[in-house]
Amino acid sequence: NAGVMQNPRHLVRRRGQEARLRCSPMKGHSHVYWYRQLPEEGLKFMVYLQKENIIDESGMPKERFSAEFPKEGPSILRIQQVVRGDSAAYFCASSPRGQTSNTEAFFGQGTRLTVV
Amino acid sequence: QQPVQSPQAVILREGEDAVINCSSSKALYSVHWYRQKHGEAPVFLMILLKGGEQKGHEKISASFNEKKQQSSLYLTASQLSYSGTYFCGTERGTGANNLFFGTGTRLTVIP
Repeated sequence: NAGVMQNPRHLVRRRGQEARLRCSPMKGHSHVYWYRQLPEEGLKFMVYLQKENIIDESGMPKERFSAEFPKEGPSILRIQQVVRGDSAAYFCASSPRGQTSNTEAFFGQGTRLTVV
Repeated sequence: QQPVQSPQAVILREGEDAVINCSSSKALYSVHWYRQKHGEAPVFLMILLKGGEQKGHEKISASFNEKKQQSSLYLTASQLSYSGTYFCGTERGTGANNLFFGTGTRLTVIP
């Protein structure tokens, strides 16, 4: 059973370009979470999705950032018109149920976005 | 919303013990502990539910005191493999459905 797969592992974008980060959850997991991690900092919650639904996007910046988890295919975190401050590691986690109580979340290897 | 971890960093020699604390200003329903090695994904260690329970994982154990809104992670007889950054994630109630992670405690174990 493959783990959470994120791609690309590294992504370099020029300011103003778009970044698309992909996350394939573990088989059987329908709950996906996105976190952002700045160097030497903790994991900041961004968004929680179930298939075709955004459940909680309270951690998402109001502009330029969007996320989806379609019925088929991976979850996508999209950052439009990237700026240098978007440079960070973006982690995706998945779980078979909501990330509460006795539910362990499995993290992917992350995508390291560098904006130049 | 973000829990506070202490200390921020600690260096141990192999075989020494350490305690990492995680506290929140909000009432907690559960605490999740993860370890992340440099450049890698966070790896789950354990979940503690309210009720003052303690759990163990190898020589790593933890306690959760919901009245004090804090959890502590205990590492005994540390090994080199314990090196990494430890994060606590707190859940503020059923249905919250997401965790808020602390800023992490960087643990370095040296021979």
